[in-house]
Amino acid sequence: DVKVTQSSRYLVKRTGEKVFLECVQDMDHENMFWYRQDPGLGLRLIYFSYDVKMKEKGDIPEGYSVSREKKERFSLILESASTNQTSMYLCASIATGQAYEQYFGPGTRLTVT
Amino acid sequence: DAKTTQPPSMDCAEGRAANLPCNHSTISGNEYVYWYRQIHSQGPQYIIHGLKNNETNEMASLIITEDRKSSTLILPHATLRDTAVYYCIVSPEGSQGNLIFGKGTKLSVKP
Repeated sequence: DVKVTQSSRYLVKRTGEKVFLECVQDMDHENMFWYRQDPGLGLRLIYFSYDVKMKEKGDIPEGYSVSREKKERFSLILESASTNQTSMYLCASIATGQAYEQYFGPGTRLTVT
Repeated sequence: DAKTTQPPSMDCAEGRAANLPCNHSTISGNEYVYWYRQIHSQGPQYIIHGLKNNETNEMASLIITEDRKSSTLILPHATLRDTAVYYCIVSPEGSQGNLIFGKGTKLSVKP
């Protein structure tokens, strides 16, 4: 089975802290995604990556950056966390040519106080 | 913005078929219909997808109207574990996976 794992299920950080959210997939997928999910707003795409060292902005990239140094790992970085970044963060991966089936991780619920 | 419209919530009795509708009246010829679901506290899970023809797999059936402006996801014998938010998404072939999730339908399966 494809596995997408995220470094933490729950995280509490203070305003202004630098936050790293890690995502690892074990199926050699080229494409990886970071979403945030908020009540009433559904999933919104933050950033995605088609290959190592490549990144593309999604719909809401402001306040976030990403890093993809290895194919299996895609990191989301909050340079200076703010309370409006309190959310559920979901990572996903997909193989090129199989655009229909994204595999999602369990999510990280981040609270910024 | 999502290109689909779904009812915000539905109920279904355990053991009965759950029929979840989706309107996608502006769908383009090269766009597929995808269905995902999200069980509470988990990431979304792929269910099924289709272009024109009806599709069936071990989880569900997808019925797409002839004009492709709407579709229905059918869970033939709903169980309590099917309680989840169901998302209908349209996206072009080869979109490389940046799917746009709307608000979905919260399906509650009741005993």
